[in-house]
Amino acid sequence: EAQVTQNPRYLITVTGKKLTVTCSQNMNHEYMSWYRQDPGLGLRQIYYSMNVEVTDKGDVPEGYKVSRKEKRNFPLILESPSPNQTSLYFCASSLSTVYTEAFFGQGTRLTVV
Amino acid sequence: GQQLNQSPQSMFIQEGEDVSMNCTSSSIFNTWLWYKQDPGEGPVLLIALYKAGELTSNGRLTAQFGITRKDSFLNISASIPSDVGIYFCAGPMDSNYQLIWGAGTKLIIKP
Repeated sequence: EAQVTQNPRYLITVTGKKLTVTCSQNMNHEYMSWYRQDPGLGLRQIYYSMNVEVTDKGDVPEGYKVSRKEKRNFPLILESPSPNQTSLYFCASSLSTVYTEAFFGQGTRLTVV
Repeated sequence: GQQLNQSPQSMFIQEGEDVSMNCTSSSIFNTWLWYKQDPGEGPVLLIALYKAGELTSNGRLTAQFGITRKDSFLNISASIPSDVGIYFCAGPMDSNYQLIWGAGTKLIIKP
């Protein structure tokens, strides 16, 4: 089954404790991205990757890192999480550019206390 | 910068009613995308529009690409309970590698 898999689905952590949210897709898509969703703000893009070893900042990259060492994986790293990073996070992949359909993971609800 | 304004923010409707929502921008878009997010899930693409004036249907859903290229509309006819969720419009930013999203229209069906 074609899918985007995020882990974990839920995470509660403390301020400053490094964490990684994993994302994997099995569709051989080139384009992957990370979003955060906050009430009343819709989806805001954090980082995106056009292909292996090619990443770029989205609208809200501060406090986040990503890597794309393999085509299928695109982990999101929070080196020192803060409470303002409490949010619902989505990973998405699409065949090439944003003009092609994006497939989303089920989301990771992160709470930083 | 580019922004998408989506309205209404939320809608309370009766089952069977028709629904209309829209998305406007201060700048021109060459593609409009409509996604739906079910509770607890990620968004799923409903309709993609690539040409000004284009009218596209997907079952009971119809979307239109505005002639000015600064707006788009989504209509749902004869709503049913599974239509509840958040509907997002989205469009590519100038770079073609980033999508900008509206804040969403939350659809709630009154029992």
